[in-house]
Amino acid sequence: EIVLAQSPGTLSLSPGERATLSCRASESVSASYLAWYQQKPGQAPRLLVYDSSTRAAGIPDRFSGSGSGTDYALTISRLEPEDFAVYYCQQYGDSPDTFGQGTKLEIK
Amino acid sequence: QAQLLESGPGLVKPSQTLSLICTVSGGSISGAGYYWTWIRQHPGKGPEWIGYIFSSGSVYYNPSLQSRLSISVDTSKNNFSLKLSSVTVADTAVYYCARGRKSYFGGCRYDMWGQGTLVTVSS
Repeated sequence: EIVLAQSPGTLSLSPGERATLSCRASESVSASYLAWYQQKPGQAPRLLVYDSSTRAAGIPDRFSGSGSGTDYALTISRLEPEDFAVYYCQQYGDSPDTFGQGTKLEIK
Repeated sequence: QAQLLESGPGLVKPSQTLSLICTVSGGSISGAGYYWTWIRQHPGKGPEWIGYIFSSGSVYYNPSLQSRLSISVDTSKNNFSLKLSSVTVADTAVYYCARGRKSYFGGCRYDMWGQGTLVTVSS
């Protein structure tokens, strides 16, 4: 199965700053079938981006995804207070679907 | 707007079978070609895909759980269920049901999730 490694484990930034989260796959993700989710404490994950760079319905345009092959990134252009959460990447190009271990975005 | 809600026991004894139901409201479980999915999350870890079922009954399981796993769908009740047998403490997790939108030749992205239910395996 494809293993996803997310970095950094924790990212400390201030509102208004730019955040870049990384997701590296152990092998190339077929068709860039890579998604990003946001999870807040006590809540289910929420889909932000799929197919590497397509924003899900209702997601603000400050969230953008990029990448191909084994290296992917989620960028939040200007952090809002509600963006501080844990973010997971997921690949669905090869079975089984797998998720990364998460990056915690915390307020500095 | 469809919603998903998990239900079932929050405590299961070791070696017994964990059983959960996900009820879908606001839309038909048979419609639009979704894949109805179970995902779990151990404390402090990333989610783990368990398996999914199409409304026709076709199922896809995580190989790591396949020997203990059964997912079924009841279109008349608009729900789908999970049974995981011979549980151990390692199966303690928050269990989510989710709606999967399948990619052209790969797996699914998950655009709608239930609230999750904590299942603890303990004697």
